[in-house]
Amino acid sequence: KNEVEQSPQNLTAQEGEFITINCSYSVGISALHWLQQHPGGGIVSLFMLSSGKKKHGRLIATINIQEKHSSLHITASHPRDSAVYICATAGNQFYFGTGTSLTVIP
Amino acid sequence: GAVVSQHPSWVICKSGTSVKIECRSLDFQATTMFWYRQFPKQSLMLMATSNEGSKATYEQGVEKDKFLINHASLTLSTLTVTSAHPEDSSFYICSARDFKRVSYNEQFFGPGTRLTVL
Repeated sequence: KNEVEQSPQNLTAQEGEFITINCSYSVGISALHWLQQHPGGGIVSLFMLSSGKKKHGRLIATINIQEKHSSLHITASHPRDSAVYICATAGNQFYFGTGTSLTVIP
Repeated sequence: GAVVSQHPSWVICKSGTSVKIECRSLDFQATTMFWYRQFPKQSLMLMATSNEGSKATYEQGVEKDKFLINHASLTLSTLTVTSAHPEDSSFYICSARDFKRVSYNEQFFGPGTRLTVL
């Protein structure tokens, strides 16, 4: 069993749809990251959070420490949001989820 | 702030040669740097952790004599793939962390280096 599980693995959405990507983890953490990886490989850190909720533009990340679960939401999705989204836990060491590949169709 | 660069961004080499990849923190001091490898459609796999001025700590299964890591300064770490073989072809990503920052759990990722060994 992986320490970090993401769902869904693949997601296709129409432009404008509201998108949710889920992340569950089994390890103790001090923070959780949401990362974005575009085709071509470069990784961008979207959020680092240890409690509650953070918002940046159309992106919202939430975390429930008791339930060991985090979600990444994208409102009014756009084709440029197409990427792989990865959650990663930070504690004694980092564990990465296998990623959710998002494709937003115009 | 907190920009990490990698060089080269891509490299093609012949089997048996060695390849050096550089990872630099451009605007902060990286007390710790991490090297990851990513195969197609898979997540990042941590290869090793390097702290400035000390030997790198390698993950289980990673050959330290094949993947030489040097973190000689607070802004530069290098990964040398020695005697590269086609199975070493992968996407190599570094990240950096600065314990002097308040949010020391934060990692800053480089853009990655795509290595192809012919």
